[in-house]
Amino acid sequence: GNSVTQMEGPVTLSEEAFLTINCTYTATGYPSLFWYVQYPGEGLQLLLKATKADDKGSNKGFEATYRKETTSFHLEKGSVQVSDSAVYFCALSVPLFGNEKLTFGTGTRLTIIP
Amino acid sequence: GAVVSQHPSRVICKSGTSVKIECRSLDFQATTMFWYRQFPKKSLMLMATSNEGSKATYEQGVEKDKFLINHASLTLSTLTVTSAHPEDSSFYICSARDATRGQRKMNTGELFFGEGSRLTVL
Repeated sequence: GNSVTQMEGPVTLSEEAFLTINCTYTATGYPSLFWYVQYPGEGLQLLLKATKADDKGSNKGFEATYRKETTSFHLEKGSVQVSDSAVYFCALSVPLFGNEKLTFGTGTRLTIIP
Repeated sequence: GAVVSQHPSRVICKSGTSVKIECRSLDFQATTMFWYRQFPKKSLMLMATSNEGSKATYEQGVEKDKFLINHASLTLSTLTVTSAHPEDSSFYICSARDATRGQRKMNTGELFFGEGSRLTVL
């Protein structure tokens, strides 16, 4: 079956620190990989995605590279801001002909201290 | 971006009562909506896939008679937790896919999520 394992939180960093949140996966088939973010009081939002090996997804200064050889999709940001405080979910989807199902990791709560 | 709204955001009910949670796509039509359940410190677990005009498809281990799903229109799906018990207390999240973007076989990533509904059963 499909599964996603991501780094347990919570993670607390100072502003401008470097961020890495690890994510590894197992999947049958060729998955697409995602990072979703949930800000306080809001729904999940797609942060970035990658659909094939060696693709790099990027958005708002965050990056993640689809590494098939290590089955990983680690999230990184060079300099975090207080506004990045949120819960981050790694997820995968193996397309099922237009009715894809997302498999999520447990989420990592990130808190950035000024 | 597209907006999905859930209501209520929080609900507290007595054991044995039924609770309905609504999921609406506000600015797009959604032929498919997904219902997830999130336990504390656990990942989101897909409960069922709701298809407009047809019966929902439930994941293994999810009780159909316990969690009734209705997707009567292209903008509304409802989840009813029947005869709720304390173990049903959880965070329920819906997501919807924009039907106008669903022409490609691989429509990955274009899911929009609601804010979630926290159910507490006393």
